[in-house]
Amino acid sequence: AQSVTQLDSQVPVFEEAPVELRCNYSSSVSVYLFWYVQYPNQGLQLLLKYLSGSTLVESINGFEAEFNKSQTSFHLRKPSVHISDTAEYFCAVRPASDNAGNMLTFGGGTRLMVKP
Amino acid sequence: NAGVTQTPKFQVLKTGQSMTLQCAQDMNHEYMSWYRQDPGMGLRLIHYSVGAGITDQGEVPNGYNVSRSTTEDFPLRLLSAAPSQTSVYFCASSYFRGGNQPQHFGDGTRLSIL
Repeated sequence: AQSVTQLDSQVPVFEEAPVELRCNYSSSVSVYLFWYVQYPNQGLQLLLKYLSGSTLVESINGFEAEFNKSQTSFHLRKPSVHISDTAEYFCAVRPASDNAGNMLTFGGGTRLMVKP
Repeated sequence: NAGVTQTPKFQVLKTGQSMTLQCAQDMNHEYMSWYRQDPGMGLRLIHYSVGAGITDQGEVPNGYNVSRSTTEDFPLRLLSAAPSQTSVYFCASSYFRGGNQPQHFGDGTRLSIL
């Protein structure tokens, strides 16, 4: 079984400041890692994912996350946030096996609030 | 391209009533699932299906039934609604195998049980 802990339920930050959203996971097997974003009154959208290879993964809108196996972490960062980044962010994992299906285990979410 | 469509978007029920939340996808995805979202708890898996005629329980299945008669549709039934089932419900779909298959989510159904 897997579990995911997002250490901050809310993160307020001023526009153009850097931000880090923290995610730690626990699993007895290798996992794939994901960050999803949820804008108000919408469903979740995939932001970025780590499957294998380079431990630093990037999204098209300036977010990046680094997989740290020794610390079992997958923190999300952005060097300069915009008002439009205000949303809830979810970290998720699934077993790294094609036979495991696509069942995700989610963290509790972090609400990013960007202030002008 | 509709993606994943959920209906209704909002619903208020009285305790003991039954209802069905509808979910349809037009991407020919084998895998479909239902999650509930509660504050501070993220999304928790209720039921999932890996193909027509095949369903299984997730983390929080009690009080919910599902069926999968077609690839496209995966309805969620509340047989006797309880206030603890007040939540936002999301349906998701994806191809079954392969870690690089993202899940596609609907916009959610906001359900209140009085």
